[in-house]
Amino acid sequence: AQKITQTQPGMFVQEKEAVTLDCTYDTSDPSYGLFWYKQPSSGEMIFLIYQGSYDQQNATEGRYSLNFQKARKSANLVISASQLGDSAMYFCAMRDGGNEKLTFGTGTRLTIIP
Amino acid sequence: NAGVTQTPKFRVLKTGQSMTLLCAQDMNHEYMYWYRQDPGMGLRLIHYSVGEGTTAKGEVPDGYNVSRLKKQNFLLGLESAAPSQTSVYFCASSYRFGKNSNQPQHFGDGTRLSIL
Repeated sequence: AQKITQTQPGMFVQEKEAVTLDCTYDTSDPSYGLFWYKQPSSGEMIFLIYQGSYDQQNATEGRYSLNFQKARKSANLVISASQLGDSAMYFCAMRDGGNEKLTFGTGTRLTIIP
Repeated sequence: NAGVTQTPKFRVLKTGQSMTLLCAQDMNHEYMYWYRQDPGMGLRLIHYSVGEGTTAKGEVPDGYNVSRLKKQNFLLGLESAAPSQTSVYFCASSYRFGKNSNQPQHFGDGTRLSIL
């Protein structure tokens, strides 16, 4: 079974609207961390936000927030007031237990429409 | 701030040729990783290292070798290049998760490799 699932291959969103990118995960370990990365067309991987399994509150970083629903095993990225520069690929990733490795989802391509 | 530096940025090889990709990081990170990125498949881990002199296999290690002789460098070698190894290769590094569990992996800008 896939550890990280991103079910939206592509999304189109009007500028200034909020957007939610879905991510579900699968692990039996109670200790894990979830990461979101942005990959613009230039190709670099940019870290956006982190959520730990024991964190009491949902993570926020500027316009990015994480809608963490532990019971549903989902960690959706919410981008508020989208901008043209938000157009990119977005990857969800997880590290579980004492694992040194990250497992990545297949990504969602977000396109912001002016 | 250099961060993670990959060389070269682009390379074209013929089938059967060998080459080495170099990754250097200046953040004193313990862990280093090599990934490949193919369309529709996200990033897949090739090999990784948890410290100088140590390496381990990832999800797709066949056809690749790695070495970490110095803490700041992680080399990825293609022994006999095949067209299936055409991909974009990313190097990443991070602190040991035990003491900094929320620390992300920091990525280089990638190497675009084409095997003809």
